[in-house]
Amino acid sequence: TQLLEQSPQFLSIQEGENLTVYCNSSSVFSSLQWYRQEPGEGPVLLVTVVTGGEVKKLKRLTFQFGDARKDSSLHITAAQPGDTGLYLCAGATSGTYKYIFGTGTRLKVLA
Amino acid sequence: DAEITQSPRHKITETGRQVTLACHQTWNHNNMFWYRQDLGHGLRLIHYSYGVQDTNKGEVSDGYSVSRSNTEDLPLTLESAASSQTSVYFCASSVRWQLRHTEAFFGQGTRLTVV
Repeated sequence: TQLLEQSPQFLSIQEGENLTVYCNSSSVFSSLQWYRQEPGEGPVLLVTVVTGGEVKKLKRLTFQFGDARKDSSLHITAAQPGDTGLYLCAGATSGTYKYIFGTGTRLKVLA
Repeated sequence: DAEITQSPRHKITETGRQVTLACHQTWNHNNMFWYRQDLGHGLRLIHYSYGVQDTNKGEVSDGYSVSRSNTEDLPLTLESAASSQTSVYFCASSVRWQLRHTEAFFGQGTRLTVV
């Protein structure tokens, strides 16, 4: 069974602080996605990374795919209360279209 | 606008009853998935389908079944509901791009309580 472990599980920070969320596995993935989920809603895709070492930026969010394609990180600069939510990473192995999800990181940004 | 909808949004059922959760998408996506979400476990894959008449078991498929008779729908059936199946269920569909990658779109979820 492939496992995707996220850390930390919970994070509570003040507005304006920076943070990094990690997603690690012993498996190699052909692509990795990050989602954000708000209470009562389904996850919404933020980004897909497909190349080892790839870095993608989405405004204040920076996503990195590890060189060996086994891990990823999400860095948020100057967090805002609107960033509050559950962040999920999901990986797919080569030849499949199904994604295995990590356990999630619940972020709360205090004003 | 194209969308993916789940029904019902909330359901309470008794142990041993058969329950069916509906999922309908209007994007004409070939790939559809059912996940359950529980605290501490993230999203776990129950069943998935890559097209009409195709169904596959995910990592937590025991006690669940699906059927795919058309592109738009993938209903999830709990054959005999158990308390351990109390959870929030999400349906998703995905489109293939760049030959190897997919982008998934999720429904709003069904909260199922088995009493």
